[in-house]
Amino acid sequence: EVQLVQSGAEVKKPGESLKISCKGSGYNFPDYWIGWVRQVPGKGLEWIGNIYPEDSGTTYNPSFQGHVTISADKSITTAYLQLNSLRASDTAMYFCARLGYSAATRTRGWFDPWGQGTLVTVSS
Amino acid sequence: EIVLTQSPATLSLSPGERATLSCRASQSVRSSYLAWYQQKPGQAPRLLIYGASSRATGIPDRFSGSRSGTDFTLTISRLEPEDFAVYFCQQYGSSPWTFGQGTQVKIK
Repeated sequence: EVQLVQSGAEVKKPGESLKISCKGSGYNFPDYWIGWVRQVPGKGLEWIGNIYPEDSGTTYNPSFQGHVTISADKSITTAYLQLNSLRASDTAMYFCARLGYSAATRTRGWFDPWGQGTLVTVSS
Repeated sequence: EIVLTQSPATLSLSPGERATLSCRASQSVRSSYLAWYQQKPGQAPRLLIYGASSRATGIPDRFSGSRSGTDFTLTISRLEPEDFAVYFCQQYGSSPWTFGQGTQVKIK
């Protein structure tokens, strides 16, 4: 079974940084892109960025670039999302998800499956 | 950036009824690169449809997706009790990838 397990909830103060982890299992981790998505409580979803664990290539949503860093360690099948200079507006649930791939159409971009989510609260 | 507008915001239906959810894109979505997800309270989203009309593994055939120009539709042919949830669309044809704001399907 393909599974992504994220690290636990975090409470941080404005200006601090934090790193969330996402451990994959049940598949060949380096071969599939991992994406990160943010969900403010009661609101919609925002794509943050993706990483290809095989070579650590990344793509970012410009809205998040410079504020986050996505990395991966394929030796321990884990991807990371680092949030820098936290502000109250970063309070949200953060999800990792594996990007689906269709060999027939050579396309990817949907998220399946998802991790369980990591709740980040930023408060002074 | 492609803006996805979902309608209605809330759909109140009874079990057994048909649900039709809309996702309209502000510009053309390349090659039908659109997905649909279901999210229940306290859970992560679950993939239902990708490529506008391909069902994900394990998704019942009462869920179907279609496209007409910049309009995408998710249809649930007969609502089961477990289908009452929030549904999101997502486009991955153009960066930045974007999501719709969601449609809540509620029990009437």
